[in-house]
Amino acid sequence: EDQVTQSPEALRLQEGESSSLNCSYTVSGLRGLFWYRQDPGKGPEFLFTLYSAGEEKEKERLKATLTKKESFLHITAPKPEDSATYLCAVQASGNKLVFGAGTILRVKS
Amino acid sequence: AAGVIQSPRHLIKEKRETATLKCYPIPRHDTVYWYQQGPGQDPQFLISFYEKMQSDKGSIPDRFSAQQFSDYHSELNMSSLELGDSALYFCASSPLGGRDTEAFFGQGTRLTVV
Repeated sequence: EDQVTQSPEALRLQEGESSSLNCSYTVSGLRGLFWYRQDPGKGPEFLFTLYSAGEEKEKERLKATLTKKESFLHITAPKPEDSATYLCAVQASGNKLVFGAGTILRVKS
Repeated sequence: AAGVIQSPRHLIKEKRETATLKCYPIPRHDTVYWYQQGPGQDPQFLISFYEKMQSDKGSIPDRFSAQQFSDYHSELNMSSLELGDSALYFCASSPLGGRDTEAFFGQGTRLTVV
């Protein structure tokens, strides 16, 4: 069964304090790994798709990387507006996404 | 850019009532997914449709049914509602049958069963 585990469950950072979120996965035949940002009461907002080990993608203060077992979402010099829940999901057999439980990020000024 | 539109945004129903949630995918997206997200939980896959046919099925109760229409919009019908059905229901859409491509989510319908 496809499984996604995210850590830490929650992360508190000071503004400007860089850190990384982890997403480890167990799937048979990974077709894609997705990162989403979700604000309270809103739908997940697409951030990145990674397809193969070694791939990296960047967007503003965020950078996502992928290995054969896990993905990292690096946040450089975060700002309070980066506070949200970050969800990792994998697409394996079929087209559905299997989500991890998410990491709740709080950035204080 | 057009996004996934869900209606209604909020819905309050009593136990044993019926609810219908609607989803309008991004234009030219042929695949629609439904997810249920309970408080503090990750989204759980319910069901998906590709070209108006059911393509995958997850943990959807027998009390729920869904379909995709000729204009690609989808409806999730929920009968004999229970208190535990209270959750955020998200619809997502993707092009190309959803194969190797990201899904874009709507803002969700918050269903409260009282």
